[in-house]
Amino acid sequence: ETGVTQSPTHLIKTRGQQVTLRCSSQSGHNTVSWYQQALGQGPQFIFQYYREEENGRGNFPPRFSGLQFPNYSSELNVNALELDDSALYLCASSLGGTSSYEQYFGPGTRLTVT
Amino acid sequence: RKEVEQDPGPFNVPEGATVAFNCTYSNSASQSFFWYRQDCRKEPKLLMSVYSSGNEDGRFTAQLNRASQYISLLIRDSKLSDSATYLCVVNAGGSARQLTFGSGTQLTVLP
Repeated sequence: ETGVTQSPTHLIKTRGQQVTLRCSSQSGHNTVSWYQQALGQGPQFIFQYYREEENGRGNFPPRFSGLQFPNYSSELNVNALELDDSALYLCASSLGGTSSYEQYFGPGTRLTVT
Repeated sequence: RKEVEQDPGPFNVPEGATVAFNCTYSNSASQSFFWYRQDCRKEPKLLMSVYSSGNEDGRFTAQLNRASQYISLLIRDSKLSDSATYLCVVNAGGSARQLTFGSGTQLTVLP
């Protein structure tokens, strides 16, 4: 196992609502990246946090926001949920500031928007 | 054009077969390359990194051709447990080092 944990495992929300997903990184890792995986597709990069600062962002609207805490855990917040936000949300833990590019994924949160 | 393109699959092969997956990427500035494996309704797991010199891990061999922007994965002596979706993954460098995934190729190894 990677040691990366996510909560909750599953979530059902209604269109227009807001949701917060949580991720705890692997011990010793200081970087968390968030990805969205729609059914039948590969994961798509949302954003990354390194030492509590956003360190890069993919092609997602501002209603997708995040935080990283001093213990390097992270939250993903999505406002004004849309039906197309239904997906598996994955966080990946890595060690930034080194030559390593490897990322290790948590089990994901499956979000259903109705 | 997608940044990372993979064989569409699915691949259905008998146990013991050799199977090859191919992948191309569009960003010539890409610096790191990986194969991830994803079981149904689970998270992607790092299978192996891919190096220019090629690398092998047991039954798995990965190759990278930077000039052609092409990555491959060869699985020899397929096992039932190899059944999964194989994701070709590229990292374009930069500060975020975000991973760009292909859509994946589904492999089913049949008894």
